[in-house]
Amino acid sequence: QSALTQPASVSGSPGQSITISCTGTSSDVGGYNYVSWFQQHPGKAPKLMIYDVTKRPSGVSNRFSGSKSGNTASLTISGLQAEDEGDYYCTSYTFSITSNWVFGGGTRLTVL
Amino acid sequence: QITLKESGPTLVKPTQTLTLTCNFSGFSLSTIGVGVGWIRQPPGKALEFLTLIYWNGDKRYSPSLKSRLTITRDTSENQVVLTMTDMDPMDTATYYCAQRPSCCYTFDFWGQGTFVTVSS
Repeated sequence: QSALTQPASVSGSPGQSITISCTGTSSDVGGYNYVSWFQQHPGKAPKLMIYDVTKRPSGVSNRFSGSKSGNTASLTISGLQAEDEGDYYCTSYTFSITSNWVFGGGTRLTVL
Repeated sequence: QITLKESGPTLVKPTQTLTLTCNFSGFSLSTIGVGVGWIRQPPGKALEFLTLIYWNGDKRYSPSLKSRLTITRDTSENQVVLTMTDMDPMDTATYYCAQRPSCCYTFDFWGQGTFVTVSS
């Protein structure tokens, strides 16, 4: 069982917007602005899409945006494109007694 | 250009110890704030944080696996080594190493991963 909760799957049509949620606790997602999102295509390594809740690394499309409310973080992808299809994972750093990273269970995005 | 690459055995037997090496370039593990971590992914399953070592030698471990994990570094050789004892078939997974940048609590560059099968 993963520490952070994500929906197993989401889908959308090209051009639409979708949002993936990531729910944790006040010890991780809710407590600090250290949520990241990764995109993973089959057989490939994860790619960082969002870090520190809302920041985009250089080269990542501005169609990807992040937000947070309480213990739930969200990734929104606008103007869906076929190449957005894949798995998305959230992660948060936790300053618990055993400071480390916790991951979500992953969400499969299907572009219809 | 930052690159990381994992290497090690592709097959280990149950109860054996796994040793994986992460060779990296394009950054220094002596830079304040930088770290190198290991994350694994069983087939069809989610990512799981294992361990990380910081520029100052400080280490972080997954609480559930801490007793089985050791992470070390060779700063001059740009290498980080993961050791995992008492391997079990449930440890079959792709093992990734990744850079923790100095600015942030994330992993911005990842290796391609190495798939390890645990089987007799």
